[in-house]
Amino acid sequence: AQKITQTQPGMFVQEKEAVTLDCTYDTSDQSYGLFWYKQPSSGEMIFLIYQGSYDEQNATEGRYSLNFQKARKSANLVISASQLGDSAMYFCPLGGATNKLIFGTGTLLAVQP
Amino acid sequence: ETGVTQTPRHLVMGMTNKKSLKCEQHLGHNAMYWYKQSAKKPLELMFVYNFKEQTENNSVPSRFSPECPNSSHLFLHLHTLQPEDSALYLCASSQDGTGVSNEQFFGPGTRLTVL
Repeated sequence: AQKITQTQPGMFVQEKEAVTLDCTYDTSDQSYGLFWYKQPSSGEMIFLIYQGSYDEQNATEGRYSLNFQKARKSANLVISASQLGDSAMYFCPLGGATNKLIFGTGTLLAVQP
Repeated sequence: ETGVTQTPRHLVMGMTNKKSLKCEQHLGHNAMYWYKQSAKKPLELMFVYNFKEQTENNSVPSRFSPECPNSSHLFLHLHTLQPEDSALYLCASSQDGTGVSNEQFFGPGTRLTVL
């Protein structure tokens, strides 16, 4: 069965510091993808970054980078230089061949000034 | 309008009412999705439409009835709901319904409260 585990219900980080949000997954698919989305209090899910299972390089997108460790089945998100606007819920859904996204319970990030 | 829009943004209804949620995407995508997000639970996929055809019904109770008249519009018709159906209902779209790298674009959601 496919599953996503985010073990950090909540995280605090000081403004301008880096933070790592953990994500582990379980799947029997050979080809899959990991996404990270941000959900502010307004409700909309905002796409941040994507990592494919066959991608050899870790994905990066501006201040976001993905620490992909395939053998450990982990895909942690690193946010560098945190900003107040980064405060939100963060999800790392797993995508498979059918394009169904499997979500975990998310991590609530609070950036403190 | 750009991206994915949803109306209404907030809805309060009684258990005997009939209402509909609307989703519209302006991205030229061919797949559309309904998700339910309840407090402290992972997002649950409810329905998937690919090229207007329903390809997934994730054991959703019949009091939720989806409709996809074309690739740009998706509705969720609600009737005889229960208080436990109160949640944020999110609509999403993607280029199509296959492939591991298809990013899904989400709307802002409808916050539904059933009294």
